[in-house]
Amino acid sequence: IAGITQAPTSQILAAGRRMTLRCTQDMRHNAMYWYRQDLGLGLRLIHYSNTAGTTGKGEVPDGYSVSRANTDDFPLTLASAVPSQTSVYFCASSPGGGSDTQYFGPGTRLTVL
Amino acid sequence: QKEVEQNSGPLSVPEGAIASLNCTYSDRGSQSFFWYRQYSGKSPELIMFIYSNGDKEDGRFTAQLNKASQYVSLLIRDSQPSDSATYLCAVKVPLGSGYALNFGKGTSLLVTP
Repeated sequence: IAGITQAPTSQILAAGRRMTLRCTQDMRHNAMYWYRQDLGLGLRLIHYSNTAGTTGKGEVPDGYSVSRANTDDFPLTLASAVPSQTSVYFCASSPGGGSDTQYFGPGTRLTVL
Repeated sequence: QKEVEQNSGPLSVPEGAIASLNCTYSDRGSQSFFWYRQYSGKSPELIMFIYSNGDKEDGRFTAQLNKASQYVSLLIRDSQPSDSATYLCAVKVPLGSGYALNFGKGTSLLVTP
């Protein structure tokens, strides 16, 4: 059982380019989340999905989009990357249904130049 | 935005001592609380969760919750150098039709040999 996988591990991207960060979980968890973590700012929620087919905006959604076509996958897309999106991105999942614990993927380190 | 506050540290304790990490939260209606540990360059991993007032023990770790005073703490007994990490406090918050975790910015702990 892999848990949550994220790809790529790291990426350097030119400003203005489109980028999709991938997240896959094999735990059949209902809820999934995308966070960014920046020094001094902690973990901030970008988007979330409580169940397949639904998504919602978190604290810092601007410049990002997500989709949840099935239970396992929750990709995060940067339509036109900007340097302020340089960050470490974590995907997380939670069983839902009364279990609140979130489990994190290994993260993607993204640098936008 | 409901606040979760932690002292950023670093908190330095000698090996074998008790490390005490504190967290306060602003939403008096909060019910579920979590402690995560994050090593440098790694993703957060769950240490403990606590829902009820009082103490909850798991090995060398004890979580303490006081809802009246709106604080939650984590005690680490017999601290080891391997406990050196950033500790994140998180509070469950309603989000859409489900829930999310609102994280504090973390406290850096350094255990010195």
